[in-house]
Amino acid sequence: EADIYQTPRYLVIGTGKKITLECSQTMGHDKMYWYQQDPGMELHLIHYSYGVNSTEKGDLSSESTVSRIRTEHFPLTLESARPSHTSQYLCASTMGTGGNEQFFGPGTRLTVL
Amino acid sequence: AQKITQTQPGMFVQEKEAVTLDCTYDTSDPSYGLFWYKQPSSGEMIFLIYQGSYDQQNATEGRYSLNFQKARKSANLVISASQLGDSAMYFCAMREGWVGGGADGLTFGKGTHLIIQP
Repeated sequence: EADIYQTPRYLVIGTGKKITLECSQTMGHDKMYWYQQDPGMELHLIHYSYGVNSTEKGDLSSESTVSRIRTEHFPLTLESARPSHTSQYLCASTMGTGGNEQFFGPGTRLTVL
Repeated sequence: AQKITQTQPGMFVQEKEAVTLDCTYDTSDPSYGLFWYKQPSSGEMIFLIYQGSYDQQNATEGRYSLNFQKARKSANLVISASQLGDSAMYFCAMREGWVGGGADGLTFGKGTHLIIQP
């Protein structure tokens, strides 16, 4: 069982609010990822990190930002939430490269009213 | 162009039958990996099986096997003896470019919604 956690699991918030989605893993993985998934659709990579102080943008452009100050922690922040940000956000981590599976957290379902 | 194509948006299968979920991919990178994940209605992603581009044999994990046809760029998932609990979304995904220091995040297909009927 993967030790990767996301909070909150569900969030309903009004337009313009600042939000932070938390992601933590206890496996000591260097690489961490954020994916966005609209209902019934595929996942898209929006951010990734190779390790502490490393953050990169993924394939899908996103208004969110991320930080990686500690190995185990990779939070995602939206400075001003909009209805277009309504989606599921999934955090993942992996030990290394190649064939190592990515372990996923349970996801955060975000609804912006 | 789509890097991962899953042509079956939905499938209905009788319990205990074998199921094949199709996946084709597109890459020019000689080093790549192919993954299958299961996503139940609760939303979490469950890793099922992995196939590397240089692996000589098809991957197997319990009731799951991957029919890897490299020349056709196809990586179909086979589930033997399906169970009611297999009902879920199934995603094929690819990782490429890590040898050159690329992002190595996964690129996902649109998924197949599998429903197992009693």
